[in-house]
This record gives sequence, structure tokens and C-alpha cells, in this order.
Amino acid sequence: DAGVTQSPTHLIKTRGQQVTLRCSPKSGHDTVSWYQQALGQGPQFIFQYYEEEERQRGNFPDRFSGHQFPNYSSELNVNALLLGDSALYLCASSLGGYPNTGELFFGEGSRLTVL
Amino acid sequence: KQEVTQIPAALSVPEGENLVLNCSFTDSAIYNLQWFRQDPGKGLTSLLLIQSSQREQTSGRLNASLDKSSGRSTLYIAASQPGDSATYLCASPNVGSGGGADGLTFGKGTHLIIQP
Repeated sequence: DAGVTQSPTHLIKTRGQQVTLRCSPKSGHDTVSWYQQALGQGPQFIFQYYEEEERQRGNFPDRFSGHQFPNYSSELNVNALLLGDSALYLCASSLGGYPNTGELFFGEGSRLTVL
Repeated sequence: KQEVTQIPAALSVPEGENLVLNCSFTDSAIYNLQWFRQDPGKGLTSLLLIQSSQREQTSGRLNASLDKSSGRSTLYIAASQPGDSATYLCASPNVGSGGGADGLTFGKGTHLIIQP
């Protein structure tokens, strides 16, 4: 049973560029959430996708956007990168949509460095 | 908005000891509380999920308890091993304005070192 998979694992960008991160949920899961984790901090909720729509959003600017595909996989896009966007980006999947109170399973993350 | 605090921030104990990690939350109207383990530079591994109607959950050497009235959860690790060394995070969904569950709010974690 494949768990949550994320790509790429590491990437380096420069300020002002755009980045796309990808996530495939655990088999059988239909809900995907994205989190940003700065060094030494707990993850911060970015947004959640269910039925190909953004259902909930944390306190992140519009530079952060996403998409969910019919096969439940998801992308996170960040435009106009800032140095402060350097972080580990984590994808989590679960079953049951919104409101989502089920157990979350996380991928290994994508480490983004902005120079 | 839910706030989650974990104490202590770091803990170092010799192998074999039983230990308790603490997690407190501000909004007692929680849906559930989940404990995770994170190894350096890695993703999160789910350890235990306690629903709001439960008082505790057990998995192997791990036992998590939940006391909604006091806003506290504890993770008990029995007979600690060097392989238990990691950062342990607790998290609970925000209760949204419409009463539904929002994204998870995490504590900053407890960095645990088990000395051989």
C-alpha cells in the first residue's frame, strides 16, 4: 500500500521565481492538505482540497495556490518566491472531505530553498 | 483559534526509562488529537489518534491520553530505546467558524534524545 508521495524532494529557486510541488495521496484517500514547516517550528496549515476544490485555507497570501486533480493528486504553486518561503512543504492525505476529522498521513516533504 | 503548546521543548534521558511528553490546547471543543513523530529532515509519521469521545489510545509501547476538560494530552513512552529519538508533535484540528474542522494546529514539538 503506497503511502503519500511527494516530488521533488529538494529544490533550489531564486527570489521572484515560481515553484510547483506535487503530491499523490495514500491509496483510497480523497482529501489533500498542504503544510509549511519552517526550521524548528511545527507545520503551518496552508490549505485543504476535496472534490477538486479548495475547502479551507490558513493564513497564507494568494501567492500560494493549489489544485486537485480527478485522481485526487494535488499541486502546490508558489509565485514570486521570497526568502521566507524557504521551508519543508508537507502534503497530508485523509479520507472524508470537509469537515475533516480523520487521521492524517504525511509524505516525506519537499525541501525548498530560496536564494 | 486553537493554540497548542508542548512541554518540554527538549528532553534527554537514558535508555530504558519511561517518559511522558505533554501537550496542552486552548479550545476544549476539539474533534480529536493526533500525535506524530518526525525524524530530522523527514516527514511526519502518525503515532496515535484520539477521538474526542475517547480518553486514551495505545499502540505498542506508546499510550496517549486526552483530558478535554483540562485541555491536556500526554504521550507515555515505556521502556525507551535509542530508536525513539526524534521530535514528537501533537496536533488538533481548528474548529472553524461554521463548526466544521479546519486544518491541524501543531505544537512546536518535543525534541527527544534517548542515550544508549
